[in-house]
Amino acid sequence: ETGVTQSPTHLIKTRGQQVTLRCSSQSGHNTVSWYQQALGQGPQFIFQYYREEENGRGNFPPRFSGLQFPNYSSELNVNALELDDSALYLCASSPIPGSTYEQYFGPGTRLTVT
Amino acid sequence: SQQGEEDPQALSIQEGENATMNCSYKTSINNLQWYRQNSGRGLVHLILIRSNEREKHSGRLRVTLDTSKKSSSLLITASRAADTASYFCATEPGNTPLVFGKGTRLSVIA
Repeated sequence: ETGVTQSPTHLIKTRGQQVTLRCSSQSGHNTVSWYQQALGQGPQFIFQYYREEENGRGNFPPRFSGLQFPNYSSELNVNALELDDSALYLCASSPIPGSTYEQYFGPGTRLTVT
Repeated sequence: SQQGEEDPQALSIQEGENATMNCSYKTSINNLQWYRQNSGRGLVHLILIRSNEREKHSGRLRVTLDTSKKSSSLLITASRAADTASYFCATEPGNTPLVFGKGTRLSVIA
């Protein structure tokens, strides 16, 4: 059983640029959630994907978008990067949508926007 | 918005001592989960307690839930240096994604 993986580990971008982060869910999991964690804060829910469809969204602007592929891997895209987008981005997979069961988190992608 | 609030924000103890962290939340929940995070890396699930449960154990971990007070506590017994991490409570208010608190930073000194 493989765990959740994310790429890249670290990323530095300039304000106004676009970025794509990737996540491979744990084997057998069809649901992926993305979180943003600013320094010293808890993770904030961005959105969740279930069977390639968005299944809930947090309080993030439309420039945060996502995709889920048939193999249940997922991408997080952020357009027009702002300095406040600097954070650790975490993806988590689970066997069913919602939060009834534990979430399995990846190691995260550290994004720095300069 | 962050529903869960952990207390204290930071805790420093000696190895072998017990560590207790508390979590308060605002709305009714289906379940409450505790996670650990080492040095800004991914979160690791520790324990899930459902709203109809009052106490759960897992190894050196003991979690209690008081839905009347909207609070939970995480007890780590006989702490070890490897327990040094940030601990987060996360609530599921009802068929919604998890809502995390800001966490408690635990330092266990050898």
